[in-house]
Amino acid sequence: EAAVTQSPRSKVAVTGGKVTLSCHQTNNHDYMYWYRQDTGHGLRLIHYSYVADSTEKGDIPDGYKASRPSQENFSLILELASLSQTAVYFCASSEGTGWEQYFGPGTRLTVL
Amino acid sequence: QQQVRQSPQSLTVWEGETAILNCSYEDSTFDYFPWYWQFPRESPALLIAIRPVSNKKEDGRFTIFFNKREKKLSLHITDSQPGDSATYFCAASGKAGNTGKLIFGLGTTLQVQP
Repeated sequence: EAAVTQSPRSKVAVTGGKVTLSCHQTNNHDYMYWYRQDTGHGLRLIHYSYVADSTEKGDIPDGYKASRPSQENFSLILELASLSQTAVYFCASSEGTGWEQYFGPGTRLTVL
Repeated sequence: QQQVRQSPQSLTVWEGETAILNCSYEDSTFDYFPWYWQFPRESPALLIAIRPVSNKKEDGRFTIFFNKREKKLSLHITDSQPGDSATYFCAASGKAGNTGKLIFGLGTTLQVQP
């Protein structure tokens, strides 16, 4: 049974529209992360959270917001989607820093 | 500025050969070095990890060699199998400086020819 799930699995959005990507984990982990993956750029951290109701900026936070309403749920919000945000987005969870991160299946986002 | 660098970008070996994937890093405070692998259209998953208290970590056919002085590490895959064909990411994190966030390299794509 998958411990980190993401929805939707794929989405097509229009430029300027709002997009919300959702992540749910059943690992009972405190840490959750949002990454984007682009060809040639590997995995880059957008936002992360180590406790409910609190989020931290990662390495590329511009254009993204995050929300952690509970330990299990972590959302990534694109208020005004842009073409450059077309990518695959992965959510992950971990017990703490320096521990294994468990990744969700990913969301393929295409902004037209 | 890429804090974790990997080479080569792509590598092809024959079945049964040893594949060597290289990684180097900038921040001397990094203290955790996991390798993740990712198969096409799948998500990354932890393969093997090392902490600087040791300079070698083995798990079956996969071995990490770690050189703290040179800030380099390598992943050796012995007796490579076609099922090992994947993209391998070296990553690093440390409590000091980057608050424990994982920094990923750009990856090495390995192709094992039967």
